[in-house]
Amino acid sequence: QSVLTQPPSVSAAPGQKVTISCSGSTSNIGSAYVSWYQQLPGTAPKLLIYDDNKRPSGIPDRFSGSKSDTSATLGITGLQTGDEADYYCGTWDTTLSALVFGGGTKLTVL
Amino acid sequence: QLHLQESGPGLVNPSETLSLTCTVSSGSMNTALYYWDWIRQPPGKGLEWIGSIYYSGSTYYNPSLRSRVTISVDTSKSQFSLRVDSVTAADTAMYYCARQFRSGATSSIYNWGQGTLVTVSS
Repeated sequence: QSVLTQPPSVSAAPGQKVTISCSGSTSNIGSAYVSWYQQLPGTAPKLLIYDDNKRPSGIPDRFSGSKSDTSATLGITGLQTGDEADYYCGTWDTTLSALVFGGGTKLTVL
Repeated sequence: QLHLQESGPGLVNPSETLSLTCTVSSGSMNTALYYWDWIRQPPGKGLEWIGSIYYSGSTYYNPSLRSRVTISVDTSKSQFSLRVDSVTAADTAMYYCARQFRSGATSSIYNWGQGTLVTVSS
C-alpha cells in the first residue's frame, strides 16, 4: 500500500494528451514539492518533473506538472509510442521523515 | 555527468545479510544538499525508498525497514553501502543507488544507478 495514490494504468492514442493523478495528504504533497519519474521498460527511473512543475534540462515541454492542495498531476501532450512507460510521483513525507512514492501508473499509447 | 554503479552478490540465502556497494564517479560525494540513497523495486512492483546518507554520515531510514537496514559511506573511496539483515523472499528486488537533492520542501532524485537484481533464495 503506497502512501501516494496513482491510477494503475492510463491509455491514449498517439498525438493525444493524457494526465496522471497523484493523491496524498497534508504531511506529504500538502507540505512538500512533488517530483515525477519516468521508467521505460527495463531501465532505471529518470527525473521528469521536480518542484511540482519544473523540467530538468533535456526534458521536452510536452511534459508538465501541476499541484493543488494534496494532489498533483502529470500531463503529457503529443503522445508518442516512446512515452510508453511507468510513471511515479514522489515527495517527502514530513510525518514519516521519509521519501515516499506512488504505486506507479503504466501508460499505454494505443 | 555523475555516474553511479551498484555492485554485490545477486543471490542471498534467507535469514542472511544482503550487502551492496555503490561507487560514485565523475563527481564529488562531499556536496552540500545532496544525499546518497538506496531505493528498491520488487519484480513487477513499484519503487520503495530504503534510506539516505549524507556525506557527513547522517542517516535517514524508511521506518518500515529501519530495524534491519544500515547505510554507510566512505567518501575517500567515493562509495556508499547498504546492509539489510535477516532477509526473506520479500527482499528480492532490483536495488538502485541514487543521488537525491534535498533542501527545504524539495526532494528529487536526479541521478540513478542502473540497478542490480538481488534474489533471496536457498
